Amino acid sequence: AAGVIQSPRHLIKEKRETATLKCYPIPRHDTVYWYQQGPGQDPQFLISFYEKMQSDKGSIPDRFSAQQFSDYHSELNMSSLELGDSALYFCASSLGASGTDTQYFGPGTRLTVL
Amino acid sequence: QKEVEQNSGPLSVPEGAIASLNCTYSDRGSQSFFWYRQYSGKSPELIMSIYSNGDKEDGRFTAQLNKASQYVSLLIRDSQPSDSATYLCAVNRPGNTPLVFGKGTRLSVIA
Repeated sequence: AAGVIQSPRHLIKEKRETATLKCYPIPRHDTVYWYQQGPGQDPQFLISFYEKMQSDKGSIPDRFSAQQFSDYHSELNMSSLELGDSALYFCASSLGASGTDTQYFGPGTRLTVL
Repeated sequence: QKEVEQNSGPLSVPEGAIASLNCTYSDRGSQSFFWYRQYSGKSPELIMSIYSNGDKEDGRFTAQLNKASQYVSLLIRDSQPSDSATYLCAVNRPGNTPLVFGKGTRLSVIA
């Protein structure tokens, strides 16, 4: 079965640079969530989109922005990168209309900020 | 206090034994409850979901939910070394809402 796709899988950036992470949800899934997981931490919710509209906002820094496009893929844009942004970034998708809220995670993007 | 609490472990069990993982949550409005398995450096993998009080079994895994006690558990029967991982308990409110995770319990199955 098709899964959530994330790209790139690994990314190395310098401080103050920008980064764009991409997420392609499971086909027919209409809801996308972004989570950040620091070393030894649990995943922390950043932002989510349902039917291309922002649905929830978590602990996302103002330096980050995201959107969901007409094909339901989503991009997380990160600017003025800081050392503390180094983490695993996961995208998850769900079928909002199913009512079961089950979220399936992509393989993640490992961001390293030097 | 964190919204979702788990013992961080490590929990060590011998191969073939039953591993019991526990989780409590504070938001009484929570409706959906999930157990994810996460290997180091990998993404969370859904193991079980449970929505109503009682037990739900899937192969070697059994999830138990008690909403009155705000308690969720996961039993792993016939534990295998490949079950060694961090198990994340996650809950969310009704609708397309974000998951709130516990810090995870690290399970080690000793061969």
